[in-house]
Amino acid sequence: ETGVTQTPRHLVMGMTNKKSLKCEQHLGHNAMYWYKQSAKKPLELMFVYNFKEQTENNSVPSRFSPECPNSSHLFLHLHTLQPEDSALYLCASSLGDSVDYEQYFGPGTRLTVT
Amino acid sequence: AQSVTQPDIHITVSEGASLELRCNYSYGATPYLFWYVQSPGQGLQLLLKYFSGDTLVQGIKGFEAEFKRSQSSFNLRKPSVHWSDAAEYFCAVGSQTGANNLFFGTGTRLTVIP
Repeated sequence: ETGVTQTPRHLVMGMTNKKSLKCEQHLGHNAMYWYKQSAKKPLELMFVYNFKEQTENNSVPSRFSPECPNSSHLFLHLHTLQPEDSALYLCASSLGDSVDYEQYFGPGTRLTVT
Repeated sequence: AQSVTQPDIHITVSEGASLELRCNYSYGATPYLFWYVQSPGQGLQLLLKYFSGDTLVQGIKGFEAEFKRSQSSFNLRKPSVHWSDAAEYFCAVGSQTGANNLFFGTGTRLTVIP
């Protein structure tokens, strides 16, 4: 595997379910990001991790819980979601967490909350 | 606060024709500016970026963009569009002094007709 991979690619869950999204980067990067992409809205940065430490939480509801066990893996744990949480969730990574470093994106997980 | 406006939601061009996608930003200082492309089912890929220096920047796949401070614009251009350029294009702005928190526009979807 190369680049940034995300699993699953598609996920349908009920509002009472608990699920997790996984992201893995094979680029030797130190920073990882979660974004939410909703139709007709700008891409929204949710969380930033640098060297496994969370450096940004963009006022995300607590029903989204990130986890970064190491610099290569990033998870987004989901529980009691709402229908408006249906979106494409993109993971990205970069060598460092300053704007000088290019972010590389995964293909995303298409989440549908029913 | 930073923001990005992409006034064109959808553009259709003929293959071989020239292309210009508009981007206007709002930022108090000199911004870092980016253009990303997203093909169906894939993550975002960086086309080009402007940090400083020459206001005309060259990117991958034959794209270029021009930073015009007086107009707060960073329009993307390509002299001759190929069918494979059909995708969604996102303009983004970042802070020179801050972390890697990019603010994205809502995107412009490009359709290429034969």
